[in-house]
Amino acid sequence: EVQLVESGGGLVQPGRSLKLSCAASGFTFSNYDMAWVRQAPTKGLEWVASISTGGGNTYYRDSVKGRFTISRDNAKSTLYLQMDSLRSEDTATYYCARQSVYYGLLLRGQGVMVTVSS
Amino acid sequence: DVVLTQTPSILSATIGQSVSISCRSSQSLLDSDGNTYLYWFLQRPGQSPQRLIYLVSNLGSGVPNRFSGSGSGTDFTLKISGVEAEDLGVYYCMQATHAPFTFGSGTKLEIK
Repeated sequence: EVQLVESGGGLVQPGRSLKLSCAASGFTFSNYDMAWVRQAPTKGLEWVASISTGGGNTYYRDSVKGRFTISRDNAKSTLYLQMDSLRSEDTATYYCARQSVYYGLLLRGQGVMVTVSS
Repeated sequence: DVVLTQTPSILSATIGQSVSISCRSSQSLLDSDGNTYLYWFLQRPGQSPQRLIYLVSNLGSGVPNRFSGSGSGTDFTLKISGVEAEDLGVYYCMQATHAPFTFGSGTKLEIK
């Protein structure tokens, strides 16, 4: 069974950094592109970033470009999201997702809450 | 960015009733490879979103066959044939034809 367990969230002041992790199991992690999706409180879903199987290609939504970095460690089956220069509008629950061309995004975790506030 | 407009925003149904949710795109979602990358998700209260439908009309693994998807180009529909209590939650469409991926604003299904 596919499992994705996010961790690393918390309360952080504007301008500070936070690093999220997503431990994957139940599938061959290195065979799949991966992504982060977020959901602000009481709001809808928003794609944040994606990374290719080997990590060589990364993609970001405009509002996080230059501030967020997606990466992966295939040996550890773990996905990361380094978030720098955090803003209040980054406050959200962050979900990690397995990404595939035909099947789209598969979200299996409970997500991790990030609150940016002074 | 591609805008996905979902209607209605709130849907109230009785058990056993059939309902439909519309998702309209600001651009055609037909890709140059011939595929249409349109998906449907259900987010139950307190849970993460779960994929129901992929590529417009294909049922995800373990998804009951009372769910069906249809459409093409810019107009898509999710139908539930015989709503059950476990179907309550928020439904989202998502497109992956054009970067960046975008989601609809959601349709909340309430059970009367």
